Amino acid sequence: SQTIHQWPATLVQPVGSPLSLECTVEGTSNPNLYWYRQAAGRGLQLLFYSVGIGQISSEVPQNLSASRPQDRQFILSSKKLLLSDSGFYLCAWSVRVDEQYFGPGTRLTVT
Amino acid sequence: GQNIDQPTEMTATEGAIVQINCTYQTSGFNGLFWYQQHAGEAPTFLSYNVLDGLEEKGRFSSFLSRSKGYSYLLLKELQMKDSASYLCAVRGPIGNQGGKLIFGQGTELSVKP
Repeated sequence: SQTIHQWPATLVQPVGSPLSLECTVEGTSNPNLYWYRQAAGRGLQLLFYSVGIGQISSEVPQNLSASRPQDRQFILSSKKLLLSDSGFYLCAWSVRVDEQYFGPGTRLTVT
Repeated sequence: GQNIDQPTEMTATEGAIVQINCTYQTSGFNGLFWYQQHAGEAPTFLSYNVLDGLEEKGRFSSFLSRSKGYSYLLLKELQMKDSASYLCAVRGPIGNQGGKLIFGQGTELSVKP
């Protein structure tokens, strides 16, 4: 069966510090991978998606970036965090058109 | 453009039936998803519709009309644990466009005793 992991689960970082969030998927090959952000009380905003190793598409221009160094690994990064980067970051995967599953998420607070 | 609308909040009584509506206008359509999200947790998959009609799964059913750009999620025999946010999402073009899911803002359902 497939599983998806995200870490860390929670993170408190000061403004201007770097960020690295990791997502890994097990039990499947060549998944589409996605990063979403959910601000408090809001819907899910798609940040990045990837259809293969090294292939990253950005949905929203901002100070975040994403990389996919391995087939089942997706990383979200920032060089300098802003207060507005606070939120719940969710990684998701899909292989078939009728599915998309989310990881447990990382709650980021920028102070 | 892409637009997905659903009511912000709904309240219902334990044991009752509630219908949560979703309307959408998107470029490209490869199915509509419903997710349940409890506070502080990740969304969990409820249903997927790509053809017109009703799909039933236990107490939950989902309906789709592609010509009207309309879906609803029907929850029967409501339980207190059904209090959550319900997210409607449409899958766009697949292939190199990644089959992105575009989400509505979610409907916060409160179930009262």
